[in-house]
Amino acid sequence: QKEVEQDPGPLSVPEGAIVSLNCTYSNSAFQYFMWYRQYSRKGPELLMYTYSSGNKEDGRFTAQVDKSSKYISLFIRDSQPSDSATYLCAMSGRGNEKLTFGTGTRLTIIP
Amino acid sequence: DVKVTQSSRYLVKRTGEKVFLECVQDMDHENMFWYRQDPGLGLRLIYFSYDVKMKEKGDIPEGYSVSREKKERFSLILESASTNQTSMYLCASSLPGTYQETQYFGPGTRLLVL
Repeated sequence: QKEVEQDPGPLSVPEGAIVSLNCTYSNSAFQYFMWYRQYSRKGPELLMYTYSSGNKEDGRFTAQVDKSSKYISLFIRDSQPSDSATYLCAMSGRGNEKLTFGTGTRLTIIP
Repeated sequence: DVKVTQSSRYLVKRTGEKVFLECVQDMDHENMFWYRQDPGLGLRLIYFSYDVKMKEKGDIPEGYSVSREKKERFSLILESASTNQTSMYLCASSLPGTYQETQYFGPGTRLLVL
């Protein structure tokens, strides 16, 4: 079993819809949770960062962490064609540790 | 603006060749990482370095080595390239301490080994 599971998609939704992307994990030591966005043929870029449980909002993006269920989500409101990309979840434990990534979900927003 | 650059965007090499992939960051970050990215497998850590001349094996170091002679530069070396090393290679850097887990990525190098 992988430490981090992420549905690879692909996921296609119409413009303006709310998108929900999710990851589950098995390592209870994870405390830092990130979402990266990767456009085609580019490197990943950090989108959202959260520590421990709770919600964090940044514009149209909301990151949610439920440590009791070992489940994290990224919500995109009013989705735009420019949101079409692969979204990677990543997480790590306390200390100077490496990141563990999900496999990524490919998202397409249809105009 | 943070910047991680990789020496090549695309490379084509022959089986058995020695391949060098270069990564440079201008953010004075201590930590640097090399990943490969394959469909369905996500990002897998090959090697990382927390300081000059220091290296640690990641999850899949076999067939690779690294060099970090200067803080800003981290090189990945394929000693004898094989077809199963055809992949997208991504370099990243991060700063220990505040948001230390925040890694900044380069644009990637697509390597094809024939």
